[in-house]
Amino acid sequence: AQSVTQLGSHVSVSEGALVLLRCNYSSSVPPYLFWYVQYPNQGLQLLLKYTSAATLVKGINGFEAEFKKSETSFHLTKPSAHMSDAAEYFCAVTLRGTGNQFYFGTGTSLTVIP
Amino acid sequence: NAGVTQTPKFQVLKTGQSMTLQCAQDMNHNSMYWYRQDPGMGLRLIYYSASEGTTDKGEVPNGYNVSRLNKREFSLRLESAAPSQTSVYFCASSGTLSGETQYFGPGTRLLVL
Repeated sequence: AQSVTQLGSHVSVSEGALVLLRCNYSSSVPPYLFWYVQYPNQGLQLLLKYTSAATLVKGINGFEAEFKKSETSFHLTKPSAHMSDAAEYFCAVTLRGTGNQFYFGTGTSLTVIP
Repeated sequence: NAGVTQTPKFQVLKTGQSMTLQCAQDMNHNSMYWYRQDPGMGLRLIYYSASEGTTDKGEVPNGYNVSRLNKREFSLRLESAAPSQTSVYFCASSGTLSGETQYFGPGTRLLVL
């Protein structure tokens, strides 16, 4: 079975500081990888996804993530945090050629300190 | 273009009561999914439907049933609700191929007393 690990259930950063949210996956074959954001009392919204076209993926709201096969990682970054970035972030993975069943990490809650 | 819609938004049930959560999508997607979200556990797949006429169990199917009514609609039924089913339920839809984005509804908050 696939698994996704998000290190750090809670991350706090100061406004303007670098945001780094970690995601590692377990798979012998590079999967498809996704980052979703969830604002309070809302559904999940796609931030970005990796489908093998490029290892550095740019998403919405200034976020980007880099796929590193050697580290089985897909960490999410943003150079400068904004108050509006406060939300829950989920990493998800799906295997190639096996339908589209997603496996989600447990989520990271981002707090931005003014 | 409403995307994925869910009804109701919020529901309170007593133990043993039944209810059906409704989901509809207008993106002409073949695949639909039901998840539950609990604190510290992320999203867990309850059931999914890869295409109209098919349904399959996910990670946590016990206590639930589903119906893929047509291509647009996918319902989740709790026959005899239990407090352990208190959760936030999300419906999602996507294309059939691996790597296609799943689009989520706004969720249904369910409280079972």
